[in-house]
Amino acid sequence: DVKVTQSSRYLVKRTGEKVFLECVQDMDHENMFWYRQDPGLGLRLIYFSYDVKMKEKGDIPEGYSVSREKKERFSLILESASTNQTSMYLCASRLTALVTQYFGPGTRLLVL
Amino acid sequence: GNSVTQMEGPVTLSEEAFLTINCTYTATGYPSLFWYVQYPGEGLQLLLKATKADDKGSNKGFEATYRKETTSFHLEKGSVQVSDSAVYFCALSERNNNDMRFGAGTRLTVKP
Repeated sequence: DVKVTQSSRYLVKRTGEKVFLECVQDMDHENMFWYRQDPGLGLRLIYFSYDVKMKEKGDIPEGYSVSREKKERFSLILESASTNQTSMYLCASRLTALVTQYFGPGTRLLVL
Repeated sequence: GNSVTQMEGPVTLSEEAFLTINCTYTATGYPSLFWYVQYPGEGLQLLLKATKADDKGSNKGFEATYRKETTSFHLEKGSVQVSDSAVYFCALSERNNNDMRFGAGTRLTVKP
């Protein structure tokens, strides 16, 4: 079974803090994704990564950056957290040759 | 661009009732279609998928048929259980695209 894990299930941070969200997958998938989920909006893509050190902006990259130094790990960074970044963050991965994405359990972030 | 529209919720049903959640899509190519389910406090789990027209995806008593002529992928279940209470997301992805488009999600509550 594919396993995608995220470092925290819940986080509480203050405005202006730098926040790191970590995602690890154990199936040697080339592609990894970060989404945010907000009520009524579904999932929106923040960034994705084709492979190690490769990244592409998604639909809503503003205020975020990412890092992919190893194939199994994809980090989402909030350089200076703001209250409008309070959300559920979901990581996903997949093989390049296939379309199915596999998701982690999510991190619910509250920025005060 | 590609997009997915699914029926708004919430949907409340009694146990053993018939379920339909409508999903229609817009795509420029030949997408694969998915239903994901999110149980309370969890990430998204793949429920079923279909990769070409007239394919039927099925899992755990849920079914959906890929209808190219109506650009639809409606989710159905003949007899819902309390344990089916969750949020359901319709999604599409194309092989040459690196992102997945999601509907807004439909919350289903099943009462005993």
